[in-house]
Amino acid sequence: GAGVSQSPSNKVTEKGKDVELRCDPISGHTALYWYRQSLGQGLEFLIYFQGNSAPDKSGLPSDRFSAERTGGSVSTLTIQRTQQEDSAVYLCASSLDRQENSPLHFGNGTRLTVT
Amino acid sequence: AQSVAQPEDQVNVAEGNPLTVKCTYSVSGNPYLFWYVQYPNRGLQFLLKYITGDNLVKGSYGFEAEFNKSQTSFHLKKPSALVSDSALYFCAVRDKSGGGADGLTFGKGTHLIIQP
Repeated sequence: GAGVSQSPSNKVTEKGKDVELRCDPISGHTALYWYRQSLGQGLEFLIYFQGNSAPDKSGLPSDRFSAERTGGSVSTLTIQRTQQEDSAVYLCASSLDRQENSPLHFGNGTRLTVT
Repeated sequence: AQSVAQPEDQVNVAEGNPLTVKCTYSVSGNPYLFWYVQYPNRGLQFLLKYITGDNLVKGSYGFEAEFNKSQTSFHLKKPSALVSDSALYFCAVRDKSGGGADGLTFGKGTHLIIQP
């Protein structure tokens, strides 16, 4: 079946512009996560959605970052007034449910470059 | 608080030799432990997990990992390395007593390079 799909795969933007990154999770997966992967920094948790519950935004690095999930499916991560330090690979993952041992299924990521 | 340490940024192994990628963890309770692999320009793929039971866990592509509670380790192993195993490997931990969304903590990753 289809995996987690992210678009665009690459995005180059000028400093100060806004960007939107999209994630289509696996159908039926109720949990959705956004992570950021920077060179040598591992994976940094950003935000988590579970069903219709309020999202856990505790990992968002600043108020320039926001995310929404419409209809319990597609999610959009928005970065306003981008800065060069926002350059990274943004990974989306989904899992079947909120069980703590459910493995995450990752998309291929969006590579964001802020010039 | 929970944390994961992958002490080696890079591991080099000759093809056909056994490989080990090290991981140690810290949690307040009992852990769920995971290994993920990332091939170039791809997302992470689940390899294996430890939940409970046997300390030796077998996963995809011939990989296995051994949970050692006394040493708080979960090293990834394979008896005979293939060039195609070359990738970036991440260890991750979640505290069973926790429940927060950020409960899955990843290490910084280890580059595994298998030389022909």
